[in-house]
Amino acid sequence: DGGITQSPKYLFRKEGQNVTLSCEQNLNHDAMYWYRQDPGQGLRLIYYSQIVNDFQKGDIAEGYSVSREKKESFPLTVTSAQKNPTAFYLCASNTRGGNQPQHFGDGTRLSIL
Amino acid sequence: GEDVEQSLFLSVREGDSSVINCTYTDSSSTYLYWYKQEPGAGLQLLTYIFSNMDMKQDQRLTVLLNKKDKHLSLRIADTQTGDSAIYFCAEGIYNFNKFYFGSGTKLNVKP
Repeated sequence: DGGITQSPKYLFRKEGQNVTLSCEQNLNHDAMYWYRQDPGQGLRLIYYSQIVNDFQKGDIAEGYSVSREKKESFPLTVTSAQKNPTAFYLCASNTRGGNQPQHFGDGTRLSIL
Repeated sequence: GEDVEQSLFLSVREGDSSVINCTYTDSSSTYLYWYKQEPGAGLQLLTYIFSNMDMKQDQRLTVLLNKKDKHLSLRIADTQTGDSAIYFCAEGIYNFNKFYFGSGTKLNVKP
C-alpha cells in the first residue's frame, strides 16, 4: 500500500544536539511538506519542497533545515538553534498543481531531555 | 498566512448530528478540505469540496460551502463514539500549492 512513513515515532533530544526526523513516501508525489503541531493549535508550515533539489521556507523555518535529494525522501533536521523544539511533527505530500489534497504521515513526537 | 478559524470544542450525544463550522478569508481558494486527527496520529483526509460547489455528500458526511460568507461546515450524521477526534478545516490557495489549516475542533461524542 502506498503511504507516507515517518520515523521514529518518538524522539528525545539533549540540549545542544541536532536531531533528524525521517519522512519517506511511495506515492510518487512531487511536493512534500513539514508541519509543526503544538497542543491546541493548528499546523504551522516549517518547510516545503515542490521538486527534487528545491525547497522553500514556510512560516516558522528558523532553527530547522531540510534536504530533498530524492523524490521519495524529505528529512527534517531540528538544530540546536531551535530553542523550543518540543512538538508533534507531521510530514505531508501531494501531487503538484490543482491543490490536490495533502496526505499525512503518522507524525513524530519530539521531546527535550 | 491566511486566517482559517474554527471553534475549539463541540460535544454531542451518540446518534445526534454534529456540525463543525469553519470560516476562511482567501477568496482565491480552489479546494477546501476536512481532515480528522485521532490522538497521537497524523491527519486523515475525510472529504474536500471544490470552491465552485455548494454541497458535497459522502455517506454520513455533508459539506456545505457558502462562498459569499466564506463559511464551510461539516455535518456528521448519526455521530458515533468512534467519531471523537479533532477535525481540521483547511484551504488550498489557487496555483500556489499552499495550504492553511484552522486550529481544529475537538469533537467529543458522549455515549
